[in-house]
Amino acid sequence: RKEVEQDPGPFNVPEGATVAFNCTYSNSASQSFFWYRQDCRKEPKLLMSVYSSGNEDGRFTAQLNRASQYISLLIRDSKLSDSATYLCVVTHNDMRFGAGTRLTVKP
Amino acid sequence: DADVTQTPRNRITKTGKRIMLECSQTKGHDRMYWYRQDPGLGLQLIYYSFDVKDINKGEISDGYSVSRQAQAKFSLSLESAIPNQTALYFCAIQGAGNQPQHFGDGTRLSIL
Repeated sequence: RKEVEQDPGPFNVPEGATVAFNCTYSNSASQSFFWYRQDCRKEPKLLMSVYSSGNEDGRFTAQLNRASQYISLLIRDSKLSDSATYLCVVTHNDMRFGAGTRLTVKP
Repeated sequence: DADVTQTPRNRITKTGKRIMLECSQTKGHDRMYWYRQDPGLGLQLIYYSFDVKDINKGEISDGYSVSRQAQAKFSLSLESAIPNQTALYFCAIQGAGNQPQHFGDGTRLSIL
């Protein structure tokens, strides 16, 4: 079983839609959680950290469920520019990356 | 200026050649990492370093070596390149504690 698992997608949604991604992790001692965004052939860039109480940044909301060992990312009012691959990242002694979920937002 | 600079950005070379990829940072962070990414797959950790001359193997270190002679620089070498090392390579830096990592622009490496 992979340490960090994500649905690879692709998710194809119309502009304005709400879309949610989940990510599960296997190490219950994991300490920190992040969502990164990666555009095609570019480097991953930090989108947001994920806190135990859940956190929001504009149209993006991240949630952590330690009991079930998953984190989620919700994107509201999708924009064309949200099209990218979203990487789930979990830290224990080092950072482990999921393979990513690909999102395409269409006009 | 970028926090993390990778050189070269692109490289095409032949099987058996020795290749060095360079990474430099301007943030003064102790922790540096090398990853490779293959199409459709996640990032795989090759090597990492927590200080000058500190070297640690990651998930896929075979066929690679690294050098950390200065805090700001972390180089990755392929002593004898083979075609299945064709990939996108990223260097990353990390501050203290559980800070997120920040990546360089990547090096696209093709081995014929």
